[in-house]
Amino acid sequence: DAEITQSPRHKITETGRQVTLACHQTWNHNNMFWYRQDLGHGLRLIHYSYGVQDTNKGEVSDGYSVSRSNTEDLPLTLESAASSQTSVYFCASSPPGTGGFNEQFFGPGTRLTVL
Amino acid sequence: TQLLEQSPQFLSIQEGENLTVYCNSSSVFSSLQWYRQEPGEGPVLLVTVVTGGEVKKLKRLTFQFGDARKDSSLHITAAQPGDTGLYLCAGATAYNTDKLIFGTGTRLQVFP
Repeated sequence: DAEITQSPRHKITETGRQVTLACHQTWNHNNMFWYRQDLGHGLRLIHYSYGVQDTNKGEVSDGYSVSRSNTEDLPLTLESAASSQTSVYFCASSPPGTGGFNEQFFGPGTRLTVL
Repeated sequence: TQLLEQSPQFLSIQEGENLTVYCNSSSVFSSLQWYRQEPGEGPVLLVTVVTGGEVKKLKRLTFQFGDARKDSSLHITAAQPGDTGLYLCAGATAYNTDKLIFGTGTRLQVFP
């Protein structure tokens, strides 16, 4: 069965370290998204990609970067981790738009703690 | 910045009660989705509404899209403990239907 996976599921790191969170999907979806989830904020979009070599900034992109070298993967890098980046991170994928009916499929999340 | 505000933020009720969750914005959306998220998991789509005034039912859950496509509501009849979770609305705009703007979330707890 097709799926979307994230690794690691839990990560503790120190301020200033570079961290990369992995996201892998086997749906063959063109669209992939990274969100962070914090209490009272729902899901906030960090970066997204509509295909290989395409990346776009979301509403909270400062301090984060992504790259899309193939269809299946969209790793999220925190260049220099800060305590404000302690959060739960979700990756999602969806097929190309079909008039707003495109469902996003989410991974299980990565809980990141920056000390 | 487009915002989707949900209310209430928290809701704690007894099994069998009815409840309504609201999702409001000052912006117009071409479609609106509702997701449910259980602890330790990612959100899962419940429904998509695209027409102003549209009503969709999913067993005991009734979803409505506002006439002006700026707001939506989720009504649960006779809530069950299995309805417990975080409910998120998400809107897509006409100029970028692939990107969703998520609401602030409503955390529902249903006690037996």
